[in-house]
Amino acid sequence: GAVVSQHPSRVICKSGTSVKIECRSLDFQATTMFWYRQFPKKSLMLMATSNEGSKATYEQGVEKDKFLINHASLTLSTLTVTSAHPEDSSFYICSASLTTTSYEQYFGPGTRLTVT
Amino acid sequence: AQSVTQLDSQVPVFEEAPVELRCNYSSSVSVYLFWYVQYPNQGLQLLLKYLSGSTLVKGINGFEAEFNKSQTSFHLRKPSVHISDTAEYFCAVSSRWDNDMRFGAGTRLTVKP
Repeated sequence: GAVVSQHPSRVICKSGTSVKIECRSLDFQATTMFWYRQFPKKSLMLMATSNEGSKATYEQGVEKDKFLINHASLTLSTLTVTSAHPEDSSFYICSASLTTTSYEQYFGPGTRLTVT
Repeated sequence: AQSVTQLDSQVPVFEEAPVELRCNYSSSVSVYLFWYVQYPNQGLQLLLKYLSGSTLVKGINGFEAEFNKSQTSFHLRKPSVHISDTAEYFCAVSSRWDNDMRFGAGTRLTVKP
């Protein structure tokens, strides 16, 4: 149980275009979803926290107009990287939590974004 | 807010040798502690977690960790490693009152034959 999927697993896009990454909780309802970014050989950096039906809460330094997060249902959150640039190339990982206070996060397999 | 320090960025070890990956945390509130493993181009897999009770926690793949409140540490150990244990290991801390999880910088474990 508690499986989280991400789609696509890899995406290559051209500079200036937008790309959407989906995060789905397959067998449970996720009140809260998290989006992390991981640079090569670095740790996970929390980008934002989203609760179903509410606006996402972004971490300091993360541009909310560039990284659009939507959590429209209890099983789906999307991250859209708008007007992507090569420096946005990274590994993006989502996780899901059953409640807003649950300590347990279930991680997706990640999405490798390459912007050319 | 809580934070995590993983003291070793890389740990090379020979197959069948014991290993310890060190983790120290800082927090003004009670916390939960976690160890995750990440294989190349994959997400995170939970190895073990400390919530309460016994300070020695056993996880998957033969790993265990000990919570030491006085030293604010949560070191990960395995008595005999395999080649397949080669991966990145992350220590994480979460407040007991919300789901704000913070990760350490990671330790790259390389098991050599």
